[in-house]
Amino acid sequence: NAGVMQNPRHLVRRRGQEARLRCSPMKGHSHVYWYRQLPEEGLKFMVYLQKENIIDESGMPKERFSAEFPKEGPSILRIQQVVRGDSAAYFCASSPSQNTEAFFGQGTRLTVV
Amino acid sequence: LAKTTQPISMDSYEGQEVNITCSHNNIATNDYITWYQQFPSQGPRFIIQGYKTKVTNEVASLFIPADRKSSTLSLPRVSLSDTAVYYCLSGGGDSNYQLIWGAGTKLIIKP
Repeated sequence: NAGVMQNPRHLVRRRGQEARLRCSPMKGHSHVYWYRQLPEEGLKFMVYLQKENIIDESGMPKERFSAEFPKEGPSILRIQQVVRGDSAAYFCASSPSQNTEAFFGQGTRLTVV
Repeated sequence: LAKTTQPISMDSYEGQEVNITCSHNNIATNDYITWYQQFPSQGPRFIIQGYKTKVTNEVASLFIPADRKSSTLSLPRVSLSDTAVYYCLSGGGDSNYQLIWGAGTKLIIKP
């Protein structure tokens, strides 16, 4: 059973471009969570999704950021018109239900130049 | 949502027992205490979770006093590979995913 798979591991974008981060949850997990981490800081919750539904997006900026978890395929975190301040590590986690242990992927490190 | 306080960094030596204490003064009745480990350039990894008294698994023990305002993660006989950042989180209940992550404790194990 493969763990949570995130790709790409590293992503470089110029200011104004779009960034697409992908997360394939563990097999059998229908709950996906996205977090952002700045250097030397803890993780900050962004959004919680179940298949085809956004359950809680209270941690996600209202502009330029969006997330989806379609019926088929990975969950996608999309950042439009990236700015330097978007540079961070973005982690995805998955769990079989809401209040069970979440397993994290290895993250995508986004660098905006 | 509860917040935790833990030391910014700690040093120890191979073979020693390491105890990392965390304060969570505002812990709610239905909150759990959870510890994660994170290596550089990797995602956090669950270590242990408890509600009260003592919990032990194959990698660590978690001690929680009766008032639950603090907890201690105990790592027996550490090795160099235990060098990592350790995060203490209190919460759970209805919103496990919204746990507030502090900066963690950077543990450095020396030979």
